[in-house]
Parts: sequence; structure tokens; C-alpha cells
Amino acid sequence: EDQVTQSPEALRLQEGESSSLNCSYTVSGLRGLFWYRQDPGKGPEFLFTLYSAGEEKEKERLKATLTKKESFLHITAPKPEDSATYLCAVQAGAGGSQGNLIFGKGTKLSVKP
Amino acid sequence: KAGVTQTPRYLIKTRGQQVTLSCSPISGHRSVSWYQQTPGQGLQFLFEYFSETQRNKGNFPGRFSGRQFSNSRSEMNVSTLELGDSALYLCASSQRPQETQYFGPGTRLLVL
Repeated sequence: EDQVTQSPEALRLQEGESSSLNCSYTVSGLRGLFWYRQDPGKGPEFLFTLYSAGEEKEKERLKATLTKKESFLHITAPKPEDSATYLCAVQAGAGGSQGNLIFGKGTKLSVKP
Repeated sequence: KAGVTQTPRYLIKTRGQQVTLSCSPISGHRSVSWYQQTPGQGLQFLFEYFSETQRNKGNFPGRFSGRQFSNSRSEMNVSTLELGDSALYLCASSQRPQETQYFGPGTRLLVL
């Protein structure tokens, strides 16, 4: 069964304290892995798409990496405005759930000034 | 470029009623997917439409249905509402199936 697990569920950081969020997955033929950011009461905002193991993408203080079993979202020197829930999703290339996104439960990040 | 828009943003219904939610995709996007988000289950896939055809359906009862129009706009309908249908319903669009999806702000449905 296709599955996505994110850890930790919640993370509290001080401003400037770098850390990483984990997304482990099992999927029938990974077509893509996606990271989204969601603020309270809003829809998810697209951050990155990763397609193959070894791929890395960066945007401001965020860097996403991908291996064959997991992805990491590294946050460098976070600021309070980075506080949000970060969602990881995979898209299967085969099997019953082919094409649709399978989401993890998310990591709620709080960055204190 | 305008993002995905969803209407209405908030709805309050009572058990047994039905509801229709609307989604307008990003201009040029022809694929629309719908998701249900609840605190307990997270984001769960409902269905995907492309060129007015349902391509994929999640594990939800037949009370949940949808359609897509020739201009790529989509609607989803929930009949015989239950308390457990209270959720944030999210629409996402992509240029084609299996490409990066961009989400709208969602419709918050409360069933009393």
C-alpha cells in the first residue's frame, strides 16, 4: 500500500536554529515527490517537486533532498514567518493510486523570535 | 496569473442536505483534482478530472461526485450530508494529469 509518513509531527525552533523535516514513503513506482507549505485556514502552497534519488532543490532558506526511501526538507536559519505546516506528498507511477497525490499528515513548524 | 479559485469559501449545512462546491482552475490548466482535509485523516484524494472525464477516484462513498465542464471548471457534489463530512475541501489544478498541482484556498464545510 502506498504510504507517506512525516516526522516529527511538531517542531519548535528558535529563530536562526536550523533543522530538518523528514518524509519517508513507500510507493509503487515514484513519479514525483512534492513539498507544500500550508498556513492556517489556507490551501497548500507549492514549494518543490523532486523526481529522482539524489535530486536537490533550494528556495530561500529551504532545501529539499530525495533518496529512494525518504525526503528531507532542510530549513536554514529559520525566521518566524517560516512557521507553518509542511506537507509531503508522493505521486505513484503505477498501481491503483496512480497519478493522485498521497499526503503525509504534515509537520507543524513553529519558529520563535 | 490568477490562482485557483473556489466558491463558496464557507458553508454551513444540516445533516441530510446536499451541497455543491465550485472550482475554477488556473488559466490553461485542464486537470482538476479534489481533496478532503480533516484534522484526523489529513488530506485525502477524492477524484481527478481531465477533459471532462473522471480519470481517477479515491476511496469515498458514492455520495461524493463531481464533474468538469468544457472550460475546465469543476464542481463537486455531496448528497445526504453526514456530520463526518465536515472538512476543508480543496481543489487543485495542473496543466495535465500527473503534473505539479496548485491548490486553491478551499471551501470550509460545516455539517450540523
